[in-house]
Amino acid sequence: EAQVTQNPRYLITVTGKKLTVTCSQNMNHEYMSWYRQDPGLGLRQIYYSMNVEVTDKGDVPEGYKVSRKEKRNFPLILESPSPNQTSLYFCASSWRWNSPLHFGNGTRLTVT
Amino acid sequence: RKEVEQDPGPFNVPEGATVAFNCTYSNSASQSFFWYRQDCRKEPKLLMSVYSSGNEDGRFTAQLNRASQYISLLIRDSKLSDSATYLCVVTPYGGATNKLIFGTGTLLAVQP
Repeated sequence: EAQVTQNPRYLITVTGKKLTVTCSQNMNHEYMSWYRQDPGLGLRQIYYSMNVEVTDKGDVPEGYKVSRKEKRNFPLILESPSPNQTSLYFCASSWRWNSPLHFGNGTRLTVT
Repeated sequence: RKEVEQDPGPFNVPEGATVAFNCTYSNSASQSFFWYRQDCRKEPKLLMSVYSSGNEDGRFTAQLNRASQYISLLIRDSKLSDSATYLCVVTPYGGATNKLIFGTGTLLAVQP
């Protein structure tokens, strides 16, 4: 089954404790992207990747890191999480940057 | 002015009604347009792409008006299961901006 898999689905952590949210897709898509969704603000792009080893900042990259060592994986790293990073996060992939996106199930992160 | 704007709603309609949403975009060179559906706390899912000539998929019709810079989504014979948030997505003209731009969504509530 074609899908984007994110883990974990739910995560509660404390300020400053490094964490990684994994994202994997099995559709051989070149483009991958991370979004956060907050009430009233909609989906905002954090980082994106046009292909392996190519990553770029989106609209809200501060406090986040990503890597794209393999085509299928695009982890999101929070080196020192803060409460303002409490949000619902989505990973997505597509053939090209302007093709329809396939989203993962989301990760609900709470930073206390 | 926001790049993509949607009426947040909610649109409260009875079952069987016809409802229409519009989405305006500011970049006249925008190339690709999509409607996504998002159920509460779940991932967005592609509802339909929007083509220049307009397109229909069952009870759903999407149209593009480039002169007035908006896209529309028409839902006929509304079902309870249509209750969701509908996100408008636009891709600006390429160049350095390789991302989709999401509207904040329009909430539809279909009443029995």
